[in-house]
Order: sequence, then C-alpha cells, then structure tokens
Amino acid sequence: NAGVTQTPKFRILKIGQSMTLQCTQDMNHNYMYWYRQDPGMGLKLIYYSVGAGITDKGEVPNGYNVSRSTTEDFPLRLELAAPSQTSVYFCAASGGDLTDTQYFGPGTRLTVL
Amino acid sequence: AQSVTQLDSQVPVFEEAPVELRCNYSSSVSVYLFWYVQYPNQGLQLLLKYLSGSTLVKGINGFEAEFNKSQTSFHLRKPSVHISDTAEYFCAVRATDSWGKLQFGAGTQVVVTP
Repeated sequence: NAGVTQTPKFRILKIGQSMTLQCTQDMNHNYMYWYRQDPGMGLKLIYYSVGAGITDKGEVPNGYNVSRSTTEDFPLRLELAAPSQTSVYFCAASGGDLTDTQYFGPGTRLTVL
Repeated sequence: AQSVTQLDSQVPVFEEAPVELRCNYSSSVSVYLFWYVQYPNQGLQLLLKYLSGSTLVKGINGFEAEFNKSQTSFHLRKPSVHISDTAEYFCAVRATDSWGKLQFGAGTQVVVTP
C-alpha cells in the first residue's frame, strides 16, 4: 500500500515552459488536494477535488489547472511557468468526512528559472 | 474564514529536554484542530487532532496538545525530545461546518541537538 505517490521528485523549468505534476493514490479516497509550500508560509491550497470529474479552486489557483478523470489520479498542470511558481508541491488525499485525516505525498520540488 | 498563527518560527532544544510549540487560531465558527509533522524531505503526516471532548489530546511519538477555547490556542508539547524529533511542525484548522479545506500555519522548525 503506497498511499500517495508523486512524480517527479525534482524538476527545473524555464520560464514559459509547461509541465504536469503527477499524483496517484491507492487508498480509494474520494477527496484529493494540491498544495504549494513556500518557505515560512505554510501550505496553500491550489485546487481540490471531491471525486472523479469534480474539481474546484483553492486559495491560490492562478497559473494552474487540474483534472480528475479517475479516483486514483489528480494531475496538476502548470502552463507558462513563472519564477513565482518555484515551490514544493504536495498532493494529499482523504476519505472525505469532516473529521478526516489528509495523507500527503512526498512532494515535488519545482524550480522555474 | 479561519487563520492560524504559529508564534515561533524556530525552536532549538536539547535532547531529552521538553518542548512546547505554540499555536493560536482565529475563527468565527467552531473548528477542528490538527498538528502535522514534516520530517526532512518528506510529506506531512498527522501527529494528532482535536475534534471534540477532552481538551487534552494525545498523539503519536509521545506528543500531546491542549485545546483552550477561551484563549483560542492549541499548543503542542513533548516532555522529552529525541534527535529524531527534528522536523517542521504545522498547526492547522478547519471549520466544523466546512468540507476538507485545512488552513495551515507557517510552521515551526524544531532542531534537537545532543
């Protein structure tokens, strides 16, 4: 049982390039999330999904897109990468009741130069 | 809306000494409270959570936290730390009537030295 996996672990992009951060969970959880973590800022929610085919914006969605075609996968797309998107990105999943625990992946460290 | 303030950005502590990490929150509605830990180069994992009932909550690895509604605080404590407790600790809050969206504090880096 791997939990939440993310690929790649590290990536360097040039300004204007695009990429997709992959996230997969094997816990059969309906709820999935993407966060970014900047030094001294905690985690900020980018997008979330309550189930396949349903996504919504979080606190900092600009410059990102998501899709959720299956329960397992929740990829995050960066279009036209900018230096401000340099960050560590975490994917998480949870079972969905109001008191539930979020399970986090190991993160993707992205640098945009 | 909710907000979380972690009062210390870094806490140095000697091995086997006690540690307290402070967390204050602001909310106009009832909340659930969480502490997560992030070990170096890893994702976050849940230490403990307060949902209701007893205000003293025990978590993994010997940590505990006390919910104080009047002071809107949820401080985390451990009576004797180990080198392996070196990590970043995040306090988080979620409204009880709001689905899933955690609001995280900025984090407290704990550095344990021999």
